[in-house]
Amino acid sequence: KQEVTQIPAALSVPEGENLVLNCSFTDSAIYNLQWFRQDPGKGLTSLLLIQSSQREQTSGRLNASLDKSSGRSTLYIAASQPGDSATYLCAVGGNQAGTALIFGKGTTLSVSS
Amino acid sequence: GAVVSQHPSWVICKSGTSVKIECRSLDFQATTMFWYRQFPKQSLMLMATSNEGSKATYEQGVEKDKFLINHASLTLSTLTVTSAHPEDSSFYICSARPSSGGRTDTQYFGPGTRLTVL
Repeated sequence: KQEVTQIPAALSVPEGENLVLNCSFTDSAIYNLQWFRQDPGKGLTSLLLIQSSQREQTSGRLNASLDKSSGRSTLYIAASQPGDSATYLCAVGGNQAGTALIFGKGTTLSVSS
Repeated sequence: GAVVSQHPSWVICKSGTSVKIECRSLDFQATTMFWYRQFPKQSLMLMATSNEGSKATYEQGVEKDKFLINHASLTLSTLTVTSAHPEDSSFYICSARPSSGGRTDTQYFGPGTRLTVL
């Protein structure tokens, strides 16, 4: 059974810092991996989607990497801002396209000004 | 494009009543939709996979008679929480996988429905 772990569970940093969020998964037979942002009491905002054949994806200040063989992904946030404060969820798709996602418990990020 | 809506966005009901939550794909057709549940400070847990025109597939530990899922059209899936109890209070989120008109290898998430059972 696939298990997704995110470390750390919470992180507090001052504005401007670069930071890394970690995600690991137990079964490397995944179709894709996705990073989401969730604000308190809100739904999910998709940040980056990495297909299993890809090594990384970038969007603005965000960069996500994937090492499928070792079961790891990292989300790198450059020059953090207070508006980045949210919970970041990592989710992996099964070994076929369109299967349900398995989520980690998330990393709650707080960026202080 | 690829927008998924949920209705209602929040609902408060009395214990013992039933509540229906709708999940709609607005600009694409979705043969498959997924229902997730999120308790406070927890992650999203898959409840069931909803397939248009057939019975839903429920995850282990989810009571199919309590959480009724109907996927009668390619753009609408409903989740009915029957005889709701306070422990059913949670955030319910659906997602839809395009069968056409969009990327068929990804899912698009609705904004969620906050259910509070008194």
